[in-house]
Amino acid sequence: DTAVSQTPKYLVTQMGNDKSIKCEQNLGHDTMYWYKQDSKKFLKIMFSYNNKELIINETVPNRFSPKSPDKAHLNLHINSLELGDSAVYFCASSQDIAGGRVQYFGPGTRLTVT
Amino acid sequence: SQQGEEDPQALSIQEGENATMNCSYKTSINNLQWYRQNSGRGLVHLILIRSNEREKHSGRLRVTLDTSKKSSSLLITASRAADTASYFCATYNAGNNRKLIWGLGTSLAVNP
Repeated sequence: DTAVSQTPKYLVTQMGNDKSIKCEQNLGHDTMYWYKQDSKKFLKIMFSYNNKELIINETVPNRFSPKSPDKAHLNLHINSLELGDSAVYFCASSQDIAGGRVQYFGPGTRLTVT
Repeated sequence: SQQGEEDPQALSIQEGENATMNCSYKTSINNLQWYRQNSGRGLVHLILIRSNEREKHSGRLRVTLDTSKKSSSLLITASRAADTASYFCATYNAGNNRKLIWGLGTSLAVNP
């Protein structure tokens, strides 16, 4: 009965490959997010979707493409992986897009690009 | 731009002691939230305090907010080894495109 789940938990791949991370929430929330946490634990918002509609799109390379097939799922596809993409990626959800809602985080996906 | 800044960056205390972490921010806010992150895990929400509130409690946690100084503090009383984690503040400003702005976190080590 995990609230926000991500798969896989660990991802090790070589430069140039394409990979996807999947996220699902069973909280009935309308809004989902992708964050990147670097080695210094700095948390940076990448994308936010509300009811399958893209709301926030930070300055992220267009090699990163989010997809939301329904409001319970938000996947992240990364093309042509680079060394600098190595990080922990967190999915999160909130009740709706109204400002400052509490966010519920998944366990994270540790991506290592070699 | 990064808004929240926690201090200290790292804190090491003995079990039973109190731990205080501070968060400063630069612009006006609607609310401020504190989250905990255990090693290798996702963030967990602890407390949300609104801009018109000055203090909130939850169990052993006490959060204060001073909007005149643009700062907040998180106090953990009677700390336990299980409190060892990183603690982040996040601020929300209605004019900030619906994003939470995250601090860099305080790493707390509670030694048994």
